[in-house]
Amino acid sequence: DTAVSQTPKYLVTQMGNDKSIKCEQNLGHDTMYWYKQDSKKFLKIMFSYNNKELIINETVPNRFSPKSPDKAHLNLHINSLELGDSAVYFCASSPSGEDSGNTIYFGEGSWLTVV
Amino acid sequence: GQNIDQPTEMTATEGAIVQINCTYQTSGFNGLFWYQQHAGEAPTFLSYNVLDGLEEKGRFSSFLSRSKGYSYLLLKELQMKDSASYLCAVRDSNYQLIWGAGTKLIIKP
Repeated sequence: DTAVSQTPKYLVTQMGNDKSIKCEQNLGHDTMYWYKQDSKKFLKIMFSYNNKELIINETVPNRFSPKSPDKAHLNLHINSLELGDSAVYFCASSPSGEDSGNTIYFGEGSWLTVV
Repeated sequence: GQNIDQPTEMTATEGAIVQINCTYQTSGFNGLFWYQQHAGEAPTFLSYNVLDGLEEKGRFSSFLSRSKGYSYLLLKELQMKDSASYLCAVRDSNYQLIWGAGTKLIIKP
């Protein structure tokens, strides 16, 4: 069973469209994340959810909105897509708490191309 | 600001040893991680250091010096499958992970 699964893996869409990427984890983790990895390979955190509450909201455009129906799911919705949104988006999860050894487990990534 | 520095690319020979360095400047320190990322795939956990010293795990070892803001990942007996990017990440005082851009390791026969 895949620990962190996200769909779709590949998405090609036109500018201005609205799209969603779904993510589910079966690890029982309390915290889930969305990361963006651009062409320069930097991993940048976008959002973090702990027990359905947003605990990090980095300076991302408000066109991006995370939605968490329950502890095991964190979906990413993007409105009015722009060319610069083209990147790989990784969902991830980790146990909660202040244990510094909490490892982050990543999904396989969703390759978004905006044309 | 916070930053993680690692070399962009390194090349090594199959069977050899390679050391990938990482220096960091962060607001606080609560652990350092190394992740491996093959092209087109997700990062996977390799190692974790929170105290100074060397952590060994099979062919891979990771070293940390908190006073120097420095870590390295040591890969021994290199195999072709070790060709990947290696990401250094530091957990800061807010327990947020700050990521480096990764080091692309190329293994040649």
